[in-house]
Amino acid sequence: NAGVTQTPKFQVLKTGQSMTLQCAQDMNHNSMYWYRQDPGMGLRLIYYSASEGTTDKGEVPNGYNVSRLNKREFSLRLESAAPSQTSVYFCASSEVLAGGRTGELFFGEGSRLTVL
Amino acid sequence: GENVEQHPSTLSVQEGDSAVIKCTYSDSASNYFPWYKQELGKRPQLIIDIRSNVGEKKDQRIAVTLNKTAKHFSLHITETQPEDSAVYFCAAKGGGFKTIFGAGTRLFVKA
Repeated sequence: NAGVTQTPKFQVLKTGQSMTLQCAQDMNHNSMYWYRQDPGMGLRLIYYSASEGTTDKGEVPNGYNVSRLNKREFSLRLESAAPSQTSVYFCASSEVLAGGRTGELFFGEGSRLTVL
Repeated sequence: GENVEQHPSTLSVQEGDSAVIKCTYSDSASNYFPWYKQELGKRPQLIIDIRSNVGEKKDQRIAVTLNKTAKHFSLHITETQPEDSAVYFCAAKGGGFKTIFGAGTRLFVKA
């Protein structure tokens, strides 16, 4: 049981390049999320997918796109990377509990992205 | 939307002392308040959570309290140990799917 797996772990891009961060979970969770973590700013929600086939914007969606490929996989794409997108990116998943509540977030190990 | 403020940003205590981290939230509809611990270079992991129908919850050396009227909640760690050194995040979530985090508290426990 690997939990939440995200790739790559490290990436260096030049301004204007594009890339996709991949995330997969094997816990049969319905909901998946992408967060970015910057010093002194905590974890900020970029996009989330409440269930397969749906995606919604979080707190900081500008400059990003997402795809919920199937129940297991949720990818994050940077179409034209900017230095402001230098960050550590975390994918997470959660279960939907009885009554529609969501439980704890299970995080991947993180992807450190540097944009020069 | 929801906004979560967390204080202090840094906290240093002696081993064996208690540590308290406080958070406030803005959305009165929030009903789930988890706390995550992140060790250096690792992923955040849930250590305790509380729902809005409960005022206090305890798990061994850690406890959380919730005051819904004042919209604030706190994490209490007693008998701190060096392995408690980490960054702690509070968070709040309403009826939807967005979990909003505070900025984090870096806890140092000095041996």
